[in-house]
Amino acid sequence: NSKVIQTPRYLVKGQGQKAKMRCIPEKGHPVVFWYQQNKNNEFKFLINFQNQEVLQQIDMTEKRFSAECPSNSPCSLEIQSSEAGDSALYLCASRDISNERLFFGHGTKLSVL
Amino acid sequence: GDQVEQSPSALSLHEGTSSALRCNFTTTTRSVQWFRQNSRGSLINLFYLASGTKENGRLKSAFDSKELYSTLHIRDAQLEDSGTYFCAARNYAQGLTFGLGTRVSVFP
Repeated sequence: NSKVIQTPRYLVKGQGQKAKMRCIPEKGHPVVFWYQQNKNNEFKFLINFQNQEVLQQIDMTEKRFSAECPSNSPCSLEIQSSEAGDSALYLCASRDISNERLFFGHGTKLSVL
Repeated sequence: GDQVEQSPSALSLHEGTSSALRCNFTTTTRSVQWFRQNSRGSLINLFYLASGTKENGRLKSAFDSKELYSTLHIRDAQLEDSGTYFCAARNYAQGLTFGLGTRVSVFP
């Protein structure tokens, strides 16, 4: 069973609304990734963190998303103004520093109406 | 994605039969992970390989970093093996680059 905890499991928002999802990485994993999986099974990397610092993010994330991984709190990913095209499964993954293997949460399925 | 070519896109198996899935990589990758995604979207870790082969029950995976491919063999398929299987190549900056998946349906 996955030890990466994502909430909520499902999220329904109207266009223009904020959409926030959270992720608790596996204990002891300082590296966290967010991916978006669309209905065509295409995975898109969004952003990753090491501890509280952003390592890499794509342009879309920088412009439209707000993401953080504060110490002693869940990581979060928030779309500032949801669009229909944001409807997707958002997957959080974590890993150890020295281990390349990524472990995924169950995802948050976002539907933007 | 462009870096990972996964085949076939769909596979139907009778219970008890065996088959293989394949991923070809267009660029060098240091490792590969295989996942099965269930109907609820959960990505279940199957294998992580940096080289060679690994076996877990009726599943066996191989990774050839020189020839740039990986395979996943399903032996004696069972109904619970149904799902979408993804391979993913290690991507230094972005963690993993995923294939488009193989939808496996096992029927009685």
